[in-house]
Amino acid sequence: EIVLTQSPATLSLSPGERATLSCRASQSVGYYLDWYQQKPGQAPRRLIYDASKRATGVPARFSGSGSGTDFTLTISSLEPEDFAVYYCHQRSARPLTFGGGSKVEI
Amino acid sequence: EVQLVESGGGLVQPGGSLRISCGASGFSFSPYSFNWVRQAPGKGPEWVSYISYGSVTMWYADSVKGRFIISRDNDQNSLYLQMNSLRDEDTGVYYCVRDWDSWGLGTLVTVSS
Repeated sequence: EIVLTQSPATLSLSPGERATLSCRASQSVGYYLDWYQQKPGQAPRRLIYDASKRATGVPARFSGSGSGTDFTLTISSLEPEDFAVYYCHQRSARPLTFGGGSKVEI
Repeated sequence: EVQLVESGGGLVQPGGSLRISCGASGFSFSPYSFNWVRQAPGKGPEWVSYISYGSVTMWYADSVKGRFIISRDNDQNSLYLQMNSLRDEDTGVYYCVRDWDSWGLGTLVTVSS
C-alpha cells in the first residue's frame, strides 16, 4: 500500500499569506496525485489533478507541483474561504489512498 | 449540473446488512466509472470500491473485500453498494464519486448495537 504523508498537520496563517503544503509518497506515484479541499460538513472538492492541473472552476491562486514521491500544493494568497482541510490522494496503484490531511487555520 | 445523491444510510447492528444507492443526474451516466469513498468521523477519506463503466471491472479495499458488493444500473443512472457483515469500523459517511471529479453529499452509515 502506498502511504501518503502530509505536512504540516496544521498551518496557522493569516489572509493574504502564502500556504505551502507537502505530500510525500512511500513509493513513486508518477503524476497520479490529486489534491482535495474539505470544509466542515461538506464533501471533498477536487482542486488539482495529475499533480499540477487545476480542476474546473478552481481559482488560479491554487497550484500544484511535483512528481514521483514529492508533491506540493501552494495557495499564493489566502482568502477567507481557503481555511479548510486539504488532502492529497494517489491514483497510481491499488489500494487507492489518501493522506492524513493538513489543516489550514486562521 | 452534475448531481450525485446518495441514499439508504442509517443505523444498523453489527453483523447486519445495508444497501446504499447513488442517483445521478445532469450528465450521461454510462460512460463513467465510479467509486465509493467513506469517511469515519474526524478522519480522512478512505477509498472503498470501484466499478468500471461497463461493470467489467470491480475493485475493493481489503477492509471490505468479501463483504461489500458494488454494482450499477446504467438504465436507472444509479450506483449501489451492498454492505454485508457490517462492523463498527464501517461507520462513516459514504460518498459516491464520479471518476474522481464529482462527489455526492454523502449518506451516513452507523454500525452500532
